[in-house]
Amino acid sequence: GAGVSQSPSNKVTEKGKDVELRCDPISGHTALYWYRQSLGQGLEFLIYFQGNSAPDKSGLPSDRFSAERTGGSVSTLTIQRTQQEDSAVYLCASSSGLAGGPSTQYFGPGTRLTVL
Amino acid sequence: AQSVTQLGSHVSVSEGALVLLRCNYSSSVPPYLFWYVQYPNQGLQLLLKYTTGATLVKGINGFEAEFKKSETSFHLTKPSAHMSDAAEYFCAVSDTGNQFYFGTGTSLTVIP
Repeated sequence: GAGVSQSPSNKVTEKGKDVELRCDPISGHTALYWYRQSLGQGLEFLIYFQGNSAPDKSGLPSDRFSAERTGGSVSTLTIQRTQQEDSAVYLCASSSGLAGGPSTQYFGPGTRLTVL
Repeated sequence: AQSVTQLGSHVSVSEGALVLLRCNYSSSVPPYLFWYVQYPNQGLQLLLKYTTGATLVKGINGFEAEFKKSETSFHLTKPSAHMSDAAEYFCAVSDTGNQFYFGTGTSLTVIP
């Protein structure tokens, strides 16, 4: 498809298990973002990838969270030893990353993570 | 650090009435400002953005927002609400264009 896709759409896991969330950005977009949207909260920035540069990890809430982007395209967000407070919708967005100001972010539908 | 405050987590308006959703930001530098909309069971989509130039920005679906530096505000308005405008609206700010800070959102209900 032409948009940002994320999988799975829903994930239910048990406390202490590891989970992997996948994001397929729009083809050709060099910038990719991960956000977390908790109930009643705004979008919380997690991590930002731009081309081949080192990612901006300043938003990751703990060392249980990590993300990688292989080949400058697909990204995987991994949460180790999940906790109940990790339950949220995880959103991915991509943009063209052109210089000269912020380019429009295109968001995926999100992955709803529930930790029991 | 940047931050965004959206006053009113829930706003209700009658169909045909003015829509006003408030957004105030804090930024140490001239910011980039955005409004996103999230319709039920859909992803976020950009309504409009301010980067430079004209402070009154027009977006999709008849929405507009005005950047007021003196008030550090970027309120979203629409002259006449339509039932299809019912959604969650998010204001966002960025200073570098790399990291974005979002408000907690305002849920708009349109009453027939």
